[in-house]
Amino acid sequence: GQQVMQIPQYQHVQEGEDFTTYCNSSTTLSNIQWYKQRPGGHPVFLIQLVKSGEVKKQKRLTFQFGEAKKNSSLHITATQTTDVGTYFCAGPRNNDMRFGAGTRLTVKP
Amino acid sequence: DTAVSQTPKYLVTQMGNDKSIKCEQNLGHDTMYWYKQDSKKFLKIMFSYNNKELIINETVPNRFSPKSPDKAHLNLHINSLELGDSAVYFCASSQGRGWTVYTFGSGTRLTVV
Repeated sequence: GQQVMQIPQYQHVQEGEDFTTYCNSSTTLSNIQWYKQRPGGHPVFLIQLVKSGEVKKQKRLTFQFGEAKKNSSLHITATQTTDVGTYFCAGPRNNDMRFGAGTRLTVKP
Repeated sequence: DTAVSQTPKYLVTQMGNDKSIKCEQNLGHDTMYWYKQDSKKFLKIMFSYNNKELIINETVPNRFSPKSPDKAHLNLHINSLELGDSAVYFCASSQGRGWTVYTFGSGTRLTVV
């Protein structure tokens, strides 16, 4: 079935460094969503991208949807310790959203 | 006022026991889900109900049985618990199916000993 592949699985950065996680699909996606799960918490919706080539920003977070609508990225500028957690992308299937494996971000102060 | 609430938050039980997890949402959503998250953080869909109708039933042992008495509630009953059932179980809800925003509950950490 349709899957979204997400890389890297883990990323360790020094506070202040940038971070990027990538999501790829073998099929065209009608939309893609991003979620953040803090340690010990639950996934929380961040954003949804719908248009080809779309770029959206939330403060230090920049989300992109590829021109072919098969890939997406989340970039965090100048990471802070509050950014720690697992970031998931999710793409639609027939009756649900399928989640990528997630990228676990740790930030060293 | 919690949007999607799950109980219990923690559950420690012995192998072979039967246990239930309850979920309720007050968002007026018509679709609810159960996800299992293993130690590697992978979120695996188990079941989904839309207006009390089962619409997703993934390859899950038949020891797991969902029940949705109404569209605001989705419970998960697990028979004959095994060590491998230890995980965090998340309930989620959404308005409609497919590409729609999910709201997750805070999770139930199940430990089978």
